[in-house]
Amino acid sequence: AQSVAQPEDQVNVAEGNPLTVKCTYSVSGNPYLFWYVQYPNRGLQFLLKYITGDNLVKGSYGFEAEFNKSQTSFHLKKPSALVSDSALYFCAVALYGNNRLAFGKGNQVVVIP
Amino acid sequence: DAGVIQSPRHEVTEMGQEVTLRCKPISGHNSLFWYRQTMMRGLELLIYFNNNVPIDDSGMPEDRFSAKMPNASFSTLKIQPSEPRDSAVYFCASSTDGTNTGELFFGEGSRLTVL
Repeated sequence: AQSVAQPEDQVNVAEGNPLTVKCTYSVSGNPYLFWYVQYPNRGLQFLLKYITGDNLVKGSYGFEAEFNKSQTSFHLKKPSALVSDSALYFCAVALYGNNRLAFGKGNQVVVIP
Repeated sequence: DAGVIQSPRHEVTEMGQEVTLRCKPISGHNSLFWYRQTMMRGLELLIYFNNNVPIDDSGMPEDRFSAKMPNASFSTLKIQPSEPRDSAVYFCASSTDGTNTGELFFGEGSRLTVL
């Protein structure tokens, strides 16, 4: 069965500093990997995905993520965090060609002014 | 496009009552998902439809839960009878197949409180 792990419950970062949110995955086969963001009282919004090709993928709002097959990781990064980036971030994995996503438990990101 | 539309946004009911949550997916999307979000369990997939047909309902907690998709533009999630442990935010999401696989569009959610 496919699964993801987001080891940290909360990530605190000062505004302007680099932001990293960690994710590792487990899947038998070629993974599709995703990051979603959830703002308070809203549904999840798609940020970016890795399917194949370049290991570094760029997404919305200046976010990017790096696929590392040997470490089975897909960490989300942003070079300079904004207060408006404070939200809940979810990593997700699906099998190739499969729409059935397994989400991690989410990481609360708090960007301190 | 209006996005995925869910109703009601908030529902407060008493234990034992029937609850019906509704979802209108984005026009042209052929996959529809019902998720449940709680603090304890995070985001759980309840059921997944493709072209109006239930593909995977292994996440439906028990027989009290049922979901239907009578046509491409409407789906319901019903809980009968409801229990306090069903209190959660229920999300509907829709998607297309092919190159957009996995790019789910979520509704705003239906917050259910069962007293």
